[in-house]
Amino acid sequence: AQSVTQLDSHVSVSEGTPVLLRCNYSSSYSPSLFWYVQHPNKGLQLLLKYTSAATLVKGINGFEAEFKKSETSFHLTKPSAHMSDAAEYFCVVSIIGGSYIPTFGRGTSLIVHP
Amino acid sequence: DGGITQSPKYLFRKEGQNVTLSCEQNLNHDAMYWYRQDPGQGLRLIYYSQIVNDFQKGDIAEGYSVSREKKESFPLTVTSAQKNPTAFYLCASSRGTSGGNEQFFGPGTRLTVL
Repeated sequence: AQSVTQLDSHVSVSEGTPVLLRCNYSSSYSPSLFWYVQHPNKGLQLLLKYTSAATLVKGINGFEAEFKKSETSFHLTKPSAHMSDAAEYFCVVSIIGGSYIPTFGRGTSLIVHP
Repeated sequence: DGGITQSPKYLFRKEGQNVTLSCEQNLNHDAMYWYRQDPGQGLRLIYYSQIVNDFQKGDIAEGYSVSREKKESFPLTVTSAQKNPTAFYLCASSRGTSGGNEQFFGPGTRLTVL
């Protein structure tokens, strides 16, 4: 069984300040973890993924996430927010090996103030 | 360019009518998925297909039907039995349902029941 919890439904930051979007997961097996971004009325785009290689994963647009097994977390960070980062972000968990349908978090809306 | 297309972008339906949403991919992916998105509820899985001529119900399949006669196509029919069909519908594909595979998403179809 697997589940994912995004700890904040909304995060508000000022442009140029750091971004932290929090994600905790639960998985009976070795997890694969993903972050996707969705701009309004658009499809989802992959930001980054973890599949049991390096625990610090770098993605597109300056985002990165760190897999922490002891904390069952996969938080998304960016050093400096840009106005174009304003969007909905989804954390997703699946299981390495076998056949498993990904489980989505409920999403975090990132608001960026000028 | 490889990718997923969904049509139409906007769709209006009268109550009691069936309507079919199109999803096509040219990524040569085996697995395809349909999700429904409502504000504040993240993505909910309607149906998925791991291979041609086979598909499985997701979490909210009631009132929906699908077919998978060709690898590249996975149309979704919203039937009159679906009590609250107004939503944003997203189609996705992946190489397979093995956990390490990321999903690629289409741009979505917004369905409104009048």
